[in-house]
Amino acid sequence: EPEVTQTPSHQVTQMGQEVILRCVPISNHLYFYWYRQILGQKVEFLVSFYNNEISEKSEIFDDQFSVERPDGSNFTLKIRSTKLEDSAMYFCASSGPPSRDRGPYSNQPQHFGDGTRLSIL
Amino acid sequence: GNSVTQMEGPVTLSEEAFLTINCTYTATGYPSLFWYVQYPGEGLQLLLKATKADDKGSNKGFEATYRKETTSFHLEKGSVQVSDSAVYFCALSPFSGGYNKLIFGAGTRLAVHP
Repeated sequence: EPEVTQTPSHQVTQMGQEVILRCVPISNHLYFYWYRQILGQKVEFLVSFYNNEISEKSEIFDDQFSVERPDGSNFTLKIRSTKLEDSAMYFCASSGPPSRDRGPYSNQPQHFGDGTRLSIL
Repeated sequence: GNSVTQMEGPVTLSEEAFLTINCTYTATGYPSLFWYVQYPGEGLQLLLKATKADDKGSNKGFEATYRKETTSFHLEKGSVQVSDSAVYFCALSPFSGGYNKLIFGAGTRLAVHP
């Protein structure tokens, strides 16, 4: 079964440095997302991306964050100047087009990667 | 607004016990509802889904029914195993054209003992 892959699995970096987290979504998916989960807390939405542009972003996704789909397969999250509070598990997800299954249109489920654990020192 | 409320954990059960994890939601329109599971040290895996009222999602012995009248999507399993120990997240996706964020509950940790 196709899956979302994320690299690296663990990233350690000094505060103030830039990091790029990488994701390869499922190949025929159209919608891409980043979420984060601070240790022991709720999974939080960061940003959604469709048709080469951000479709929605949360309050967390400030000017330090950016996303890019540099080619046909990769989807990246960049944090320009990391802070201690950026330490978290970052999950990439992707989903296919909406479907209509004997009812109103509905979103397809999002498929998640295994995450990148980001540790800021 | 849209939100998900889950019962607080941890839930501790003996093997073969019956499991219920409560989930209620607040949403406008016709959200899709999901349960995701996170095993220790792993990412989120889709467990089951329901896209409209009265739909029942099921997978690996787990079930949840989309109840619009009570705005609930409770997760149940008749006989849990030690391997079911994980954190379970209820989530909703408000429909708005194909892409939308998932809104997660806080998660409920399940520990099953032999």
